[in-house]
Amino acid sequence: DIQLTQSPSSLSASVGDRVEITCRASQFISSHLNWYQQKPGRAPKLLIYAASTLQSGVPSRFSGYRSGTDYSLIISGLQAEDFATYFCQQTSSAPRTFGQGTKVEIK
Amino acid sequence: QVQLQQWGTGLLKPSETLSLTCGVSGGSFSAFYWSWIRQSPGKGLEWMGEISPSGITNYNPSLENRVAISVDTSKKQLSLNLTSVTAADTALYYCARNKNSFYYGMDVWGQGTTVTVSS
Repeated sequence: DIQLTQSPSSLSASVGDRVEITCRASQFISSHLNWYQQKPGRAPKLLIYAASTLQSGVPSRFSGYRSGTDYSLIISGLQAEDFATYFCQQTSSAPRTFGQGTKVEIK
Repeated sequence: QVQLQQWGTGLLKPSETLSLTCGVSGGSFSAFYWSWIRQSPGKGLEWMGEISPSGITNYNPSLENRVAISVDTSKKQLSLNLTSVTAADTALYYCARNKNSFYYGMDVWGQGTTVTVSS
């Protein structure tokens, strides 16, 4: 199975901050990496697919990029509604594994 | 607006079979991959498996041949069966639609069904 190591596991930030979450894949996954946001009591929401493509309707302050086997989700200008848990998922091969999540909390 | 509505038994005893169904409304069914995912505090999000538009299934080997995913295209429904459940199968279960193909993530999710396994 492809392992995804997501970091940090949690962070505290303020409204307006730039936040970066990283996901490192244990194998080459050819940019088949997606990012989700999950709020308490809700299903995950797709934010970015194929490493850097913004899902329709998602604010442009969210972006994703790849550097080798490292994939990052960046929130440029954190908003109050962005406090949530974020997950990465690889869809390069089955089983399509998830990272362990990053909880973004209010500082 | 595509919506997924889940239903099924929420309380099971060990060794029983978990059965969940996911109904699709407001959009196409047969053109997409469909997946089941579960979430538990101890294991985070776990991809259980998927079914392709042609009915080919792909399962997580960790489920040790206990899992089966099927579709009823005429009813626009997706089903999950998990046999021989144990307490370790206690989780929140989601169905989800894969965006265009399985590569591009899951863009529509059901509301989730809590399943508890307890004697």
